[in-house]
Amino acid sequence: DGGITQSPKYLFRKEGQNVTLSCEQNLNHDAMYWYRQDPGQGLRLIYYSQIVNDFQKGDIAEGYSVSREKKESFPLTVTSAQKNPTAFYLCASSWRLGAFFGQGTRLTVV
Amino acid sequence: QKEVEQNSGPLSVPEGAIASLNCTYSDRGSQSFFWYRQYSGKSPELIMFIYSNGDKEDGRFTAQLNKASQYVSLLIRDSQPSDSATYLCAVFHGSSNTGKLIFGQGTTLQVKP
Repeated sequence: DGGITQSPKYLFRKEGQNVTLSCEQNLNHDAMYWYRQDPGQGLRLIYYSQIVNDFQKGDIAEGYSVSREKKESFPLTVTSAQKNPTAFYLCASSWRLGAFFGQGTRLTVV
Repeated sequence: QKEVEQNSGPLSVPEGAIASLNCTYSDRGSQSFFWYRQYSGKSPELIMFIYSNGDKEDGRFTAQLNKASQYVSLLIRDSQPSDSATYLCAVFHGSSNTGKLIFGQGTTLQVKP
């Protein structure tokens, strides 16, 4: 099936840990995005990438890092520098007709 | 000024009525506009996109774009309780090679039976 796969669905992080969220797409889209959503809020852009080996910071990039070594993959690392990482993380890939989302990863700090 | 603004609501309409959702954007050069529906706890799903001024209809949904006023709206006719969700407006800012997709905060729609 064509689509976007995010894993894991739920993730628990201890204080001071780095964690990596996976995002894979087989839609052959060039653009990929990471968003963060807090309860009752809209989507805030963390990082985005229009082509392989290139990415740009979004509005809330501090405490996060990404890589884009393959067209299909755009992993997001939540570093220990991100002081309030508990949120719903959404990955999307995009073509001119719109962006399509994975199922999301819920990250909780324990 | 936020790049994409929506009234957070909630917007409450009776079943069978027309729901009207509005969105304004700041970048006059924006070319592509999208509406997403998001049910609680789920990821957003694309329901409409529009590029040209005027109306675009798809079933019970109509998207309206006015670039001069930097305004995009979504009309839902014959609203059903299953339409109760948060509706997110998204705008593509910048060129196709370097641009980004920015979302509003979303409007919560409640359709009452």
